[in-house]
Parts: sequence; structure tokens; C-alpha cells
Amino acid sequence: DAGVIQSPRHEVTEMGQEVTLRCKLISGHNSLFWYRQTMMRGLELLIYFNNNVPIDDSGMPEDRFSAKMPNASFSTLKIQPSEPRDSAVYFCASSLEGGPGGYNEQFFGPGTRLTVL
Amino acid sequence: KNEVEQSPQNLTAQEGEFITINCSYSVGISALHWLQQHPGGGIVSLFMLSSGKKKHGRLIATINIQEKHSSLHITASHPRDSAVYICAVMKTSGSRLTFGEGTQLTVNP
Repeated sequence: DAGVIQSPRHEVTEMGQEVTLRCKLISGHNSLFWYRQTMMRGLELLIYFNNNVPIDDSGMPEDRFSAKMPNASFSTLKIQPSEPRDSAVYFCASSLEGGPGGYNEQFFGPGTRLTVL
Repeated sequence: KNEVEQSPQNLTAQEGEFITINCSYSVGISALHWLQQHPGGGIVSLFMLSSGKKKHGRLIATINIQEKHSSLHITASHPRDSAVYICAVMKTSGSRLTFGEGTQLTVNP
């Protein structure tokens, strides 16, 4: 299995531009998590989907951020318009929830390093 | 006060030393993760615990639910163990992970 796949790995853009980050889950997993990591705040959950449905989006910073799961294996995180303070590493993680034993561990993608100038 | 606190924040050791990183939390949890993040930035899940103890190679993780405390031990440490180690808890009230600030470990040859 290729693991969680994220693209792009690096993104440099100018303030005001739209940014789209992509994530492909591990085959068979049913839950997806978007995290952001900054020096100041560490790792933070942005949004969590289970079976394509957003369950907890309380970490989404503001309306400029939106996330979708158009199908069971793929998700996008969009920032429009982007601002310099959005510069961070964005991680996607997937897990299989509801399997034997209940909650299952999360597998992280390699991350997308976003720089907004 | 953070819901998840790790200590120490920074740790420097000599190759071969036994290392312990601690994690205390103040909320009810269903599981606790130990994660490893190397300088390149990738995050790897080392352990997921809900009780007792787990061992994988030179790594051992323990959790005491009553005391709300977990430890990550590394035996016979090696320079390649140098990384940031992050404790994260899943609260019983949901599925989101709450993260500690991480412990930067440096193992010198």
C-alpha cells in the first residue's frame, strides 16, 4: 500500500491566491483528518471526516478555509484567498474507524509545506 | 494550562543511553498516541495505547489511566532516534486528537 498521498509537497503562492491541497486516503480507510502544523501553535486538527461526512470542523480557522470529500478516497483542502499567516505544513491522516476494537490509529501523509508570500 | 503536557521539551543524550519522555493529560481519553517526526517533517505513528504497555523493538510505551500519564522509553538510544516525539490524546467525547508540544530528542554519537 502506498500510504496516505498528499499533493503538492511544496506550494509557494502569493497572498490573495487560491490554494488547493489534495489527499488520497489509504485504501479501505473511512476517516480523514486535516491537520496544520506551525512553529507557534504546533499540530492542530482542522477538520475530520467519517464516511465522507464532515464530523468536526471546529478547528477550521475561518471561512477562507473549506474542505471536501468528493468520494470515499479523496479530499481537498482549499484556502481562498490565502494570507501569509496560512503558511504552515498541512498534514492529512487517514484511519479505519469502527473496526475491531473500536478506534484505530491514524496514518499520516508526508505533508504539504505551504508558503504564502 | 494545556490539556496535554510533555516533558522534557528538549532532551540531549549520548548514544546508548536509556531515554524517557513523559506525557500528562487532564481530560478523559479513549486512546493515546505517540508520534515521531523527523527533521524532514514526516510524522509516523509509533504507538496507540488505551491501557497497559506496548513494545516495538527498542521502544516501549506505557500508560496509567488512573494517573493520566504515559511514558515513552527508548532503550540503547541511537543517533537515528533523534526526532521530535509528540504525545496526542483522543478524548472520550470525540475523535479529534489533541497534541502535546513535542519533545525534541537529540542523540549524540
